[in-house]
Amino acid sequence: GESVGLHLPTLSVQEGDNSIINCAYSNSASDYFIWYKQESGKGPQFIIDIRSNMDKRQGQRVTVLLNKTVKHLSLQIAATQPGDSAVYFCAEKVNAGGTSYGKLTFGQGTILTVHP
Amino acid sequence: NAGVMQNPRHLVRRRGQEARLRCSPMKGHSHVYWYRQLPEEGLKFMVYLQKENIIDESGMPKERFSAEFPKEGPSILRIQQVVRGDSAAYFCASNRPNNEQFFGPGTRLTVL
Repeated sequence: GESVGLHLPTLSVQEGDNSIINCAYSNSASDYFIWYKQESGKGPQFIIDIRSNMDKRQGQRVTVLLNKTVKHLSLQIAATQPGDSAVYFCAEKVNAGGTSYGKLTFGQGTILTVHP
Repeated sequence: NAGVMQNPRHLVRRRGQEARLRCSPMKGHSHVYWYRQLPEEGLKFMVYLQKENIIDESGMPKERFSAEFPKEGPSILRIQQVVRGDSAAYFCASNRPNNEQFFGPGTRLTVL
């Protein structure tokens, strides 16, 4: 079936560097995308989201880019800190008929390690 | 404002026993979702419930698994006659309509 996947399973960076985590999705009907951060032993934590009518959205130290032409999503983290070390998941949602239906399809995940 | 609560955090069962996982959504949230996560994998959708209704159970195994979200009390994910392959982390999420999902800390089920 259709799924969300990630290009890079692991990413190691030095503290202060910028990090870029990529995600490919295959469901052209998806219209809402979210990035989650999951630390060891915890549940996913919302980072930032973007709707399909946008191509860029910025938060605090994070930026999400959406390229619908090639079905690609990326998360950029500026000035990466050791506390950013975690597994990052992209997830997609199909808005079924304008309802609040919220089934999320998750990618495999990228392990981000930030070295002091 | 407490977040999504799940209990127990860790659950050990022997093959053939029953597992009951509980989820209390955030205050004001009427939608609950259950996901399963195997080691080093992403979360997989299982079921979506609103109060007293199952909206979508397309991710639930056909046998042994059931979920409910009663009018009063937490949502329950029930696994009967557990097998080793059921060992995983089970996450619950909740939201208000058309809003982001907030996840609980998960229940880690180990089947011996």
